[in-house]
Amino acid sequence: EDKVVQSPLSLVVHEGDTVTLNCSYEVTNFRSLLWYKQEKKAPTFLFMLTSSGIEKKSGRLSSILDKKELFSILNITATQTGDSAVYLCAVYGALSSGSARQLTFGSGTQLTVLP
Amino acid sequence: SQTIHQWPATLVQPVGSPLSLECTVEGTSNPNLYWYRQAAGRGLQLLFYSVGIGQISSEVPQNLSASRPQDRQFILSSKKLLLSDSGFYLCAWSVRGPGDTQYFGPGTRLTVL
Repeated sequence: EDKVVQSPLSLVVHEGDTVTLNCSYEVTNFRSLLWYKQEKKAPTFLFMLTSSGIEKKSGRLSSILDKKELFSILNITATQTGDSAVYLCAVYGALSSGSARQLTFGSGTQLTVLP
Repeated sequence: SQTIHQWPATLVQPVGSPLSLECTVEGTSNPNLYWYRQAAGRGLQLLFYSVGIGQISSEVPQNLSASRPQDRQFILSSKKLLLSDSGFYLCAWSVRGPGDTQYFGPGTRLTVL
């Protein structure tokens, strides 16, 4: 059974701090890893990672994948209160019947940024 | 551009009542469609996915069902709700083929009393 584990479960920091969120996985026939940000409602897409060692960046957020050690990290620098959210990691594994790839989600990291 | 709609946004239903949640996607054709449930403080659990009209795959056996009567319409139903059906229901779509990013609708918060 595919598994995605995120750590820490929750994190409280002050504005301006840098945070690192972790995601480790065990999946059959890994295809890609995705990061989402979830505030009050629906998750919004942040990054998709398919290759090891290639950093993806978007403003103060960046992420990298290590396919040998089976993990990814999401970094947020100079955090702001607007970064407060649940950050979800999800992994695509083997094709199932019907040819729709399925995402396995971790339980998320709750990030709280205090002013 | 593509957009995904869900309704209603919130719903409070008594135990034993029926359920119908609707999801529609605009701006794309032949999408893969998904229903997830998120319990409080937990990750997303895939309930159903569909690769085409009338094609539904169930991931978790339960008293819920899904249907896809049109290419860009996905419906989640129940004949009799249970207390354990409470949660945040999310519909998502992705393109078929190599594009795997799933994009989520705004969600429906269901409370079963």
